[in-house]
Amino acid sequence: AQSVTQLGSHVSVSEGALVLLRCNYSSSVPPYLFWYVQYPNQGLQLLLKYTTGATLVKGINGFEAEFKKSETSFHLTKPSAHMSDAAEYFCAVSHMIYNQGGKLIFGQGTELSVKP
Amino acid sequence: KAGVTQTPRYLIKTRGQQVTLSCSPISGHRSVSWYQQTPGQGLQFLFEYFSETQRNKGNFPGRFSGRQFSNSRSEMNVSTLELGDSALYLCASSLGQGTSPAGELFFGEGSRLTVL
Repeated sequence: AQSVTQLGSHVSVSEGALVLLRCNYSSSVPPYLFWYVQYPNQGLQLLLKYTTGATLVKGINGFEAEFKKSETSFHLTKPSAHMSDAAEYFCAVSHMIYNQGGKLIFGQGTELSVKP
Repeated sequence: KAGVTQTPRYLIKTRGQQVTLSCSPISGHRSVSWYQQTPGQGLQFLFEYFSETQRNKGNFPGRFSGRQFSNSRSEMNVSTLELGDSALYLCASSLGQGTSPAGELFFGEGSRLTVL
């Protein structure tokens, strides 16, 4: 069975500071890993994904994440936080199999606050 | 390209009633997935439809059902509503096969259901 654990339901940083959102996964097969962002009263938007190949993946809005198989982690980082980054962030996992389609297992989410 | 459209955006029902939610996927996308989002349980997968067939199903009671039409539009229905069904229901679409890795989903803004 697959699962995702996001450490910290709330993270607060100052504008310009490093953003680090933690995600650990459990999967019996090679995983696909994703980070999604959700702004208030909106749906989810894909930030970045890891499928195969390079373990450091870059996404939109300056975010990046590194897949570490030995640590079963996929932490999300951004060097300098901006006020517009305030949102809820979700880590998700799925099977590395085509036609698994739309079934993702999501973590509980981390709400990021950015202080001026 | 138009995004995923969900209707209605907000609705209020009373216990025992039934509700139907609609989702129009991105043009060309053949997979539609549904998720329930609540503060307590987070994002939970309901089911996925691909080419009018249910391809994956989550762990929800039979009161939750769905269908997909030949134009890929999808509806989900919840019968005999309970207070605990109050949630944001998110629809997501994807190509569903071939070169689209599993899990690259495009979400709508959701339908917020309140059950009184």
